Amino acid sequence: AQTVTQSQPEMSVQEAETVTLSCTYDTSESDYYLFWYKQPPSRQMILVIRQEAYKQQNATENRFSVNFQKAAKSFSLKISDSQLGDAAMYFCAYTSNAGGTSYGKLTFGQGTILTVHP
Amino acid sequence: KAGVTQTPRYLIKTRGQQVTLSCSPISGHRSVSWYQQTPGQGLQFLFEYFSETQRNKGNFPGRFSGRQFSNSRSEMNVSTLELGDSALYLCASSPGLAYETQYFGPGTRLLVL
Repeated sequence: AQTVTQSQPEMSVQEAETVTLSCTYDTSESDYYLFWYKQPPSRQMILVIRQEAYKQQNATENRFSVNFQKAAKSFSLKISDSQLGDAAMYFCAYTSNAGGTSYGKLTFGQGTILTVHP
Repeated sequence: KAGVTQTPRYLIKTRGQQVTLSCSPISGHRSVSWYQQTPGQGLQFLFEYFSETQRNKGNFPGRFSGRQFSNSRSEMNVSTLELGDSALYLCASSPGLAYETQYFGPGTRLLVL
């Protein structure tokens, strides 16, 4: 079974600084997709960034970028120029393209609470 | 496009009752997935529906069931509620292929007394 592990229950960063959130996963699949979602206090899950495993290039979305290390099964999120609005719970998630028991199923890590200090 | 909507947003029930939650996906999306979020267990996959058929389900007891209508709207039902069913229930929609990004609704917070 696929598992996703976020080893940092909490992280903090000063406004305008950079922070990196860690995520590791375990899978025997070769065709899979990784995501970072953000859940602010409103509890609405918001997509931050997505990475296709077959792409070697790391995904970027404005101030958000990932470091995808496929061999190490590592998928970290870097937030640059942190803003107060970045404060939230961040979840790493995995899904595969295997069909069957993968349909519509995201496997989530336990989450990392990010605090941004002014 | 309008986002995923869920109703009701908050619900209080007592043990033994049943509850129905509703989810309307983004227009054009045919897949709806349901998740349960609790402090202890985190986010757990309940089931997924596509074109009115359940394609996948997680490890939850039979008290948890769902369905999808021809307009892709989905409902989930929990019968014989237990205290442990208190949770945030999230639904997410996607166009339908296994790897496509899921977009989440605001959730329904269920409290079982």
